[in-house]
This record gives sequence, C-alpha cells and structure tokens, in this order.
Amino acid sequence: GESVGLHLPTLSVQEGDNSIINCAYSNSASDYFIWYKQESGKGPQFIIDIRSNMDKRQGQRVTVLLNKTVKHLSLQIAATQPGDSAVYFCAEKGGTYKYIFGTGTRLKVLA
Amino acid sequence: SQTIHQWPATLVQPVGSPLSLECTVEGTSNPNLYWYRQAAGRGLQLLFYSVGIGQISSEVPQNLSASRPQDRQFILSSKKLLLSDSGFYLCAWSTGQGDTEAFFGQGTRLTVV
Repeated sequence: GESVGLHLPTLSVQEGDNSIINCAYSNSASDYFIWYKQESGKGPQFIIDIRSNMDKRQGQRVTVLLNKTVKHLSLQIAATQPGDSAVYFCAEKGGTYKYIFGTGTRLKVLA
Repeated sequence: SQTIHQWPATLVQPVGSPLSLECTVEGTSNPNLYWYRQAAGRGLQLLFYSVGIGQISSEVPQNLSASRPQDRQFILSSKKLLLSDSGFYLCAWSTGQGDTEAFFGQGTRLTVV
C-alpha cells in the first residue's frame, strides 16, 4: 500500500563495504519494480529497474534482486562510497499507471 | 532529451491562502503525469495522476486539486491552505507506453505558516 506516515529506517555502512537495502512490496500483481535514490532536498533519481520475469539484474555497482514468492525486493550496492549516502526507495507498478513507493531507507556511509 | 521543470523551488504561504504549483515536461508527447507529496523524513504519497489532457485521477481526498490544461503541463492547486499541507511536492512523468521508470522534478518545498 501507500507509504504514508512512517519514519525512515536507517542503515549505516562503513565506506568500502557492501550495502543491502530491503523492500517489501504490497501487490502480488505488480510486475515492474524500480529503485530510486533521493538526496536531501532533491527529487528521486532512477537507479535500476527489474521486471517480474527476472529475479536479478545488475548495473554499475548495483544489483537488484526480486523474490516474488515473498514479495521482496533488495538493492545491493558494492563498495559503498560517501556519495551513496541518501534515502533509497523502491517503487512497484502493475497493470495501472501508478507508481507506489515503499517506506524508504536512509543509507549513511561512515568514513 | 526530456526534461521536467517544477516551480517554485520553495514557497512559504499563510494558512487560508491559495496555492498553485506548476510542472511542465519538455521533449515528449502525451506523458503520464504525477503529483506526489513527501512529509519530512517520510515516503512518497501519490496525490494525483493524469494520463491525458483534462483527465485527473485523485488518490487521496484532501484540500488539493490538480489540473492538466495542456499535454505537458500539470498544476497542483488549493483554494485555502492548511498547516497540514506543508511538505515537499514532487511532480513526475512517465511515457504512456509499457513499463518504464518515472522521472521526477526537483520538487517544491511548501511551508504553510
């Protein structure tokens, strides 16, 4: 459902380590999923997407995993850098025009 | 290339005053358009979306309305602002074909005082 009224969880990761950000989506009919990165005071930026006929997709330093059985999505960031500090959102879309966003996770990269 | 413009970037308005936020998209035709609101430290709430001129779908009944007078123009309005209308308002667009990502503007920070 809608991510309304929930405070953001925070993930703290040492610089150079890998980060894993998780998301539980709500609609089993959703067939398209996106990860966004939002820096403070800015609009969300597209990172990577995945369709429901896949369970893994890789980009540059990022990997998205999709587990449809448990309606779970994860974003893995390799060798996390200070510039990766931001809030990360997953979004789902399925059979409608609407993009429904998850609650978001704040990633803090420790030097 | 496609771009999305949202203005103003920040706005401070008194309670009871009207609101008009504008969003325009360049470089594409017949986009799907969206207004989201984000409270401080929270997620994105879908307010309105539009799949064509004059076609508006409302997701959350509240003190706001939206209009799409032109293909690439989306306006968020209120006749009388409430304190609870404060937040970060984001406009987004996507193509009307298939599953593709939505592209966001830089947002408007609205503070109702």
